[in-house]
Amino acid sequence: EAQVTQNPRYLITVTGKKLTVTCSQNMNHEYMSWYRQDPGLGLRQIYYSMNVEVTDKGDVPEGYKVSRKEKRNFPLILESPSPNQTSLYFCASSFRDRGSTGYTFGSGTRLTVV
Amino acid sequence: QKEVEQDPGPLSVPEGAIVSLNCTYSNSAFQYFMWYRQYSRKGPELLMYTYSSGNKEDGRFTAQVDKSSKYISLFIRDSQPSDSATYLCAMKEGSNTGKLIFGQGTTLQVKP
Repeated sequence: EAQVTQNPRYLITVTGKKLTVTCSQNMNHEYMSWYRQDPGLGLRQIYYSMNVEVTDKGDVPEGYKVSRKEKRNFPLILESPSPNQTSLYFCASSFRDRGSTGYTFGSGTRLTVV
Repeated sequence: QKEVEQDPGPLSVPEGAIVSLNCTYSNSAFQYFMWYRQYSRKGPELLMYTYSSGNKEDGRFTAQVDKSSKYISLFIRDSQPSDSATYLCAMKEGSNTGKLIFGQGTTLQVKP
């Protein structure tokens, strides 16, 4: 089944403890992206990657890191999480040069930082 | 001012009604316009896509883009309770970019 898989689905952590949220896609998509979703603010793009070893900042990159060492994986790293990073996170992927396909989203990771 | 503005609602309509959802935007470089549907506790899924100005129809759904007014719309005919979800508009400047900007989303409830 074609899909974007995120892990974990739920995570509670403490301030300052480094964490990684994994994302993997099996559709051979070139583009991958991370979004966070907050009430009243909608989906905001954190980082995106247009190919292996190519990443760009989205609208809210502060406090996050990403890497794209393989085409299928795009992990999101929070080096020192803070409570304001409590949110619902989505990973997404799409083909390059196909505006009509849009992003395919994962099921989300609900992160709580206490 | 946000690049993409969308009334968050909530919007409540009776079954069978015609629903109109709208977004405005400020970036005249946007060329690709999309509507996503998001059910509770799920990721967004692509519903409709339009390139540049014009209309696109798919079953009960019609997407419209008016670039001169920087305004896009999604119409749902004969709305069903299963259409109850959050609808998000999204836009990007070109096909060769991974930067996709979303509106805040409008929550729709269709009552039987």
